[in-house]
Amino acid sequence: GAGVSQSPRYKVTKRGQDVALRCDPISGHVSLYWYRQALGQGPEFLTYFNYEAQQDKSGLPNDRFSAERPEGSISTLTIQRTEQRDSAMYRCASSLAPGTTNEKLFFGSGTQLSVL
Amino acid sequence: DAKTTQPNSMESNEEEPVHLPCNHSTISGTDYIHWYRQLPSQGPEYVIHGLTSNVNNRMASLAIAEDRKSSTLILHRATLRDAAVYYCILDNNNDMRFGAGTRLTVKP
Repeated sequence: GAGVSQSPRYKVTKRGQDVALRCDPISGHVSLYWYRQALGQGPEFLTYFNYEAQQDKSGLPNDRFSAERPEGSISTLTIQRTEQRDSAMYRCASSLAPGTTNEKLFFGSGTQLSVL
Repeated sequence: DAKTTQPNSMESNEEEPVHLPCNHSTISGTDYIHWYRQLPSQGPEYVIHGLTSNVNNRMASLAIAEDRKSSTLILHRATLRDAAVYYCILDNNNDMRFGAGTRLTVKP
């Protein structure tokens, strides 16, 4: 696709339900990042992948959060047993060539998650 | 972790230059300095990045101190559309972590 695509655009769920957020990066991009952003704050790093390998998951808040990128392209961020404090904008970004002068992040439009 | 320090907010007048500072005293030799900005209700967008030398592109200029412990993003002529939060980030082995950034207000 032309840009980073995230779905759904909005997700409303009840406390205790599981949710899966999808990110389709720009074709050919090696690195994929997940961020969470609360209103009025900067993006909070969650995790990132190079190809299918999860390189750093130190930003995941707890073990209810997990991410995968099984074929090195589309990624899914899963939140189990959602809580109200999980409500935020979840943003995905991809970059072409990690560790080079072409390391630029391209962000998707995000998924706005609301946990009732 | 290498970290950056930016002022919480700055103001500028339209069509005047803006210098947005960033301190990164714990930068390592291989860290690139990146700048992103986030317009209201949008995702962050890339502005510019550099390693040691000053950099220019169509959006801005990046001035990097000789000791690399600080840098300055320069908008040569601020417009109302430049009102955004500007983030300075150190690319530490792909570890792209954002801070709180500087909220730039541009006054007409």
